[in-house]
Amino acid sequence: SQQGEEDPQALSIQEGENATMNCSYKTSINNLQWYRQNSGRGLVHLILIRSNEREKHSGRLRVTLDTSKKSSSLLITASRAADTASYFCATDASNYQLIWGAGTKLIIKP
Amino acid sequence: GAGVSQTPSNKVTEKGKYVELRCDPISGHTALYWYRQSLGQGPEFLIYFQGTGAADDSGLPNDRFFAVRPEGSVSTLKIQRTERGDSAVYLCASSPMGETQYFGPGTRLLVL
Repeated sequence: SQQGEEDPQALSIQEGENATMNCSYKTSINNLQWYRQNSGRGLVHLILIRSNEREKHSGRLRVTLDTSKKSSSLLITASRAADTASYFCATDASNYQLIWGAGTKLIIKP
Repeated sequence: GAGVSQTPSNKVTEKGKYVELRCDPISGHTALYWYRQSLGQGPEFLIYFQGTGAADDSGLPNDRFFAVRPEGSVSTLKIQRTERGDSAVYLCASSPMGETQYFGPGTRLLVL
């Protein structure tokens, strides 16, 4: 079963704009992770935020976590064509098993 | 260093046949995971190995699915009597101590 739900399901923006994706989940977690998947390729880990953290940055990525609302957001600033991919949130409630959402398909238009 | 590799990259088989999918994790990673991903969906957990033993196989859909990791490194996912509904991308991931998982490119299985 899938725990996370990403919103929106699809997002299309112009290159240079910021992209925001949201993730909601159902149960208590140890951490929440965001992954990227390019068409035909494997999943690439982007960032991990622990349950006691509220915000984390990595390059052009900013992740927030609100455990009271069981939600997270991923912000990609100054988007590039290469950011075109599907983005998934995955929650870790058991220190090993990741539960995934269905993903947000992001398209960056040149 | 080398990442997680999976072979074959694509597998086409007929309904009822037996298939084996192989995963070579990153050297030294003790944890290994198998997931299945259907089109338009996120990965679905199948099984987790810590070393040689299956620590959690609760995600295996039925007894046609089995996975081994005899020496604590390479793992093989085995599917007996394949059905059309087994068609999916099978993903393998490894991890040194849990948390971040490093994924292979996947094996795309098509059951005709």
